[in-house]
Amino acid sequence: AQKITQTQPGMFVQEKEAVTLDCTYDTSDQSYGLFWYKQPSSGEMIFLIYQGSYDEQNATEGRYSLNFQKARKSANLVISASQLGDSAMYFCAMREGLSGANNLFFGTGTRLTVIP
Amino acid sequence: GAVVSQHPSWVICKSGTSVKIECRSLDFQATTMFWYRQFPKQSLMLMATSNEGSKATYEQGVEKDKFLINHASLTLSTLTVTSAHPEDSSFYICSARGGAATANNSPLHFGNGTRLTVT
Repeated sequence: AQKITQTQPGMFVQEKEAVTLDCTYDTSDQSYGLFWYKQPSSGEMIFLIYQGSYDEQNATEGRYSLNFQKARKSANLVISASQLGDSAMYFCAMREGLSGANNLFFGTGTRLTVIP
Repeated sequence: GAVVSQHPSWVICKSGTSVKIECRSLDFQATTMFWYRQFPKQSLMLMATSNEGSKATYEQGVEKDKFLINHASLTLSTLTVTSAHPEDSSFYICSARGGAATANNSPLHFGNGTRLTVT
C-alpha cells in the first residue's frame, strides 16, 4: 500500500487566491512526521512545512498552512494568496517513528500552476 | 544554515562509462545521507541510505554494484553510476539530515540534484 497518496496530478489557481493540495497517508505508527516540499522546475527540493503526529495545532509557516486531520489521515497543504512563483511541483512526505534519521516516503506530487 | 551541495548539476556521458556524483553538507555534519532517483514527472524513489563510515543500505531492486555509494566523511557522500546505460538516465538527488538534530521534525535538506543523460 502507498504510504503517501496525492490524488491531484495538477492544480490551477488564480493569482492571489488560496489553494489546497491534498495528501493522505497510511501508517500504523503512532509517532510520525509529515512534510511538504516544493520542487521548482530547476529541481531542488525546498522544505515548506512540518506537522508532527502529536501536534494538536495545525502547522503554519507564512502563507503555508497544513490542515491536519489525524482521524482521516490527511495532511493537506493550504497556500494562501498564491503568487506566480508558487508554480511548481509539491510533494507530501512522511517519516515514520521518532528518529530524525529515518527516511522520508514521498507522494507522487501535485503540479501547481498559478494563473496571472 | 543546513546547505547541501550536489555536483555536477548535469552530466552527459557515453554508454559504458562511469559517472560520479558528489553530495556535500556545507555547514553541518551529516551522519546519514539519502540518495534518491526521480524519473520525469514522477516522485522521488529512495535508492539507498548512506551512513558515514559504513556500507550503504540499498533499497530492494537497486543494484549495489551498479550504484556505488561511498560516505567516507561526515560531509561527503558520493554516488558512482558504473557502466552507465541509457536507462540510467534520470535525475539523481541527495539529501541529508539537518545538523545534529535527531528529532522527528528535522527536515531533510536536499542538494539541487544531478540530471544524468547517458547517450
